[in-house]
Amino acid sequence: GDSVTQMEGPVTLSEEAFLTINCTYTATGYPSLFWYVQYPGEGLQLLLKATKADDKGSNKGFEATYRKETTSFHLEKGSVQVSDSAVYFCALNDYKLSFGAGTTVTVRA
Amino acid sequence: SQTIHQWPATLVQPVGSPLSLECTVEGTSNPNLYWYRQAAGRGLQLLFYSVGIGQISSEVPQNLSASRPQDRQFILSSKKLLLSDSGFYLCAWRPGSSYNSPLHFGNGTRLTVT
Repeated sequence: GDSVTQMEGPVTLSEEAFLTINCTYTATGYPSLFWYVQYPGEGLQLLLKATKADDKGSNKGFEATYRKETTSFHLEKGSVQVSDSAVYFCALNDYKLSFGAGTTVTVRA
Repeated sequence: SQTIHQWPATLVQPVGSPLSLECTVEGTSNPNLYWYRQAAGRGLQLLFYSVGIGQISSEVPQNLSASRPQDRQFILSSKKLLLSDSGFYLCAWRPGSSYNSPLHFGNGTRLTVT
């Protein structure tokens, strides 16, 4: 079945560093792809999405491009802040939404 | 606008006791509804989903059950809790008309079984 493989963490960075979280997927069709963020003690919030190949989703300085040739949807941010500390989930859309295992990111001041 | 409510926010229950977690959605009709569980330090596991009143699909056989007595109400239950039922339970919804839409999550219930 469809599935998502996400880079394992935890990831610890200093403020203003560059962040990349790798995500690859396996799917029979062309699903929509999402990144969600979970702040401590909260539910998941949609961060960005892409619905077809070559689409670039962006929000709050984060970007991810839907790459069909490499079946990837890597999340990037050029300059992280302490407030970006959270768990990030890559997700693939079918009838239910399949999630990666999540990557914990900690940004130090 | 649409909102999703989940309660309680936290719950501590003894082993063998019953469980009822409730989720309601406002501002939409005929949503698809989902229950996920997130164990400590782990990813999200889909437990149940529903595409309509009384229609429940179970993804993982276990000690839990779900019901949808009304269009915008989704309940997660157990007759006798196990220690392994501890975790963070998340309810989510999306429009029933579109499987390309993202899920929208509630704030979750932290369940500790002692």
